[in-house]
Amino acid sequence: KNEVEQSPQNLTAQEGEFITINCSYSVGISALHWLQQHPGGGIVSLFMLSSGKKKHGRLIATINIQEKHSSLHITASHPRDSAVYICAVRALIQGAQKLVFGQGTRLTINP
Amino acid sequence: DGGITQSPKYLFRKEGQNVTLSCEQNLNHDAMYWYRQDPGQGLRLIYYSQIVNDFQKGDIAEGYSVSREKKESFPLTVTSAQKNPTAFYLCASSTLPQRFSSPLHFGNGTRLTVT
Repeated sequence: KNEVEQSPQNLTAQEGEFITINCSYSVGISALHWLQQHPGGGIVSLFMLSSGKKKHGRLIATINIQEKHSSLHITASHPRDSAVYICAVRALIQGAQKLVFGQGTRLTINP
Repeated sequence: DGGITQSPKYLFRKEGQNVTLSCEQNLNHDAMYWYRQDPGQGLRLIYYSQIVNDFQKGDIAEGYSVSREKKESFPLTVTSAQKNPTAFYLCASSTLPQRFSSPLHFGNGTRLTVT
């Protein structure tokens, strides 16, 4: 079982819809990253958070440390939001700091 | 604009040949990383470097080698010993040498196909 699980794996929605992508993890973490991978392959860091909530434009990221769960929300979704969204956690595993990545959620927003 | 440049975007090689992927950053970052991405899997760390002239193996270093002679450059060589080299390779950097304690900046990747 992966230490980081994302759901759903694929998500298709209509423009304007509110989007939620979930990330659950099974290890103790010091930080969680949300990343966006565009169709060309480049990756952009969206958020790094260790508690609470962060907002940037139409994107909101929340984390619940007790429940080991994070969500990425997109309000008023737009076709340009279509991308793969990746969750990654910074954790101490086998005595070393590691960044463990989820498999990604492929989001498609139709006009 | 500052950023990370990976070249080439697409690379084709015959089995048995070594190939070097370029990664250059002008962000003045101390730490640099190489990841491999395969379909349906999360990114996996190949090698990382926290400072010039020093680098450490990641989770899947076998069949790969790196060098860090300059702060700006962290080339990755995929050797003929790598059993399954066809993949998408991503280079990243971060400001702080402590692993993953600051946001990562990624390049646009190199897609390597070995036949």
